Amino acid sequence: QPVLTQSSSASASLGSSVKLTCTLSSGHSGYIIAWHQQQPGKAPRFLMKLEGSGGYNKGSGVPDRFSGSSSGADRYLTISNLQFEDETDYYCETWDSNTRVFGGGTKLTVL
Amino acid sequence: QVQLQESGPGLVRPSGTLSLTCAVSGGSITSSKWWSWVRQPPGKGLEWIGEISHSGSTSYNTSLRSRVTVSVDKSKNQFSLKLNSVTAADTAVYYCATAGAGGHFDYWGQGTLVTVSS
Repeated sequence: QPVLTQSSSASASLGSSVKLTCTLSSGHSGYIIAWHQQQPGKAPRFLMKLEGSGGYNKGSGVPDRFSGSSSGADRYLTISNLQFEDETDYYCETWDSNTRVFGGGTKLTVL
Repeated sequence: QVQLQESGPGLVRPSGTLSLTCAVSGGSITSSKWWSWVRQPPGKGLEWIGEISHSGSTSYNTSLRSRVTVSVDKSKNQFSLKLNSVTAADTAVYYCATAGAGGHFDYWGQGTLVTVSS
């Protein structure tokens, strides 16, 4: 089954951009993933579905500041014009015929 | 838009059975979706537990398969989770979630904390 690897933490300055990475395990580089945002004490919120081609579809109400891209086994979530409200946890998700997998999550700090 | 709401006991005794229900509104449990359970231990990441499809087929996390059952009650438009032989390691916030044609989770319940303790 696929494995997703995320850096445990990332940081960037207010108003700048940050690129979070989710890496698919060997043999699974073509998989589609989804990005979810989780605010403290809240349920995760679907941000976008991201294909290996780099094409992405965002969820309802997700700001234009959020975008996705791909390179090989890496799937990226880019947040532009960072706001303090973006300081939270981000998880990637993928799925197979009989399983679903999450990455370990990245905690984003806005400086 | 689909809305999900978990319910069930917040405290379960060790070796007992954890039972939760997820009520579905804004959509039918018989629609072409997968109905899942995900948990999150305090301060840790998300772990998929298992799911049931609109056709009734189930899939489970291999690490929990021997202890988990996910089922659907079409008459009440809800689905349920049972986790047997619980220990303190099963203490977590439990979320119900649904995945549509896109394959990914698109709607989540608010989550419910279940503590395993005597």
